Amino acid sequence: AQTVTQSQPEMSVQEAETVTLSCTYDTSENNYYLFWYKQPPSRQMILVIRQEAYKQQNATENRFSVNFQKAAKSFSLKISDSQLGDTAMYFCAFGRVTSGSRLTFGEGTQLTVNP
Amino acid sequence: DVKVTQSSRYLVKRTGEKVFLECVQDMDHENMFWYRQDPGLGLRLIYFSYDVKMKEKGDIPEGYSVSREKKERFSLILESASTNQTSMYLCASSYGDRWNEKLFFGSGTQLSVL
Repeated sequence: AQTVTQSQPEMSVQEAETVTLSCTYDTSENNYYLFWYKQPPSRQMILVIRQEAYKQQNATENRFSVNFQKAAKSFSLKISDSQLGDTAMYFCAFGRVTSGSRLTFGEGTQLTVNP
Repeated sequence: DVKVTQSSRYLVKRTGEKVFLECVQDMDHENMFWYRQDPGLGLRLIYFSYDVKMKEKGDIPEGYSVSREKKERFSLILESASTNQTSMYLCASSYGDRWNEKLFFGSGTQLSVL
């Protein structure tokens, strides 16, 4: 079974600074995909960024980027120029190619952006 | 925009009651999921469905059942609610034939069982 671990239950950052959220996972699969989802206080979970394991290039979406280290089974999220609206719970998720959209989520990291 | 609607934002029930949580999506998605979210545990999959009248157990199906009579609607049923089922319940949906497709989530139902 796959496991996803987020070792930072809470983090805080000053507005405009950069913060990195950690995620590690355990799998014997070679082909899979990884996601970061964001859950703001409204509770509406939205996709932040995704990465296919076969791609060596790290995914980037505007201020959000990942550091995907396949050998180390690490998938961290970097948020640049943090904004107050980035305050949310962030979940890392793992998906097997053979499991369709079924995902395994980590415990979550509560990020607070301070003015 | 895709919309996933959960019928209740907050729900309070008593131990032993039968509880129905409803979820409707408006984008003709094949896949639908029920997760529960608990502090420190993240999201855990209860049940999912890849087609009408089809269901599969997730990681924590005990104490729950589901129903999918129509493609757009996926119901989670607590046959006899217990206090350990107090939690946030999230419904999600996605397209069926793409393995890396993102999930679309509802806003959650916070269920309290007293």
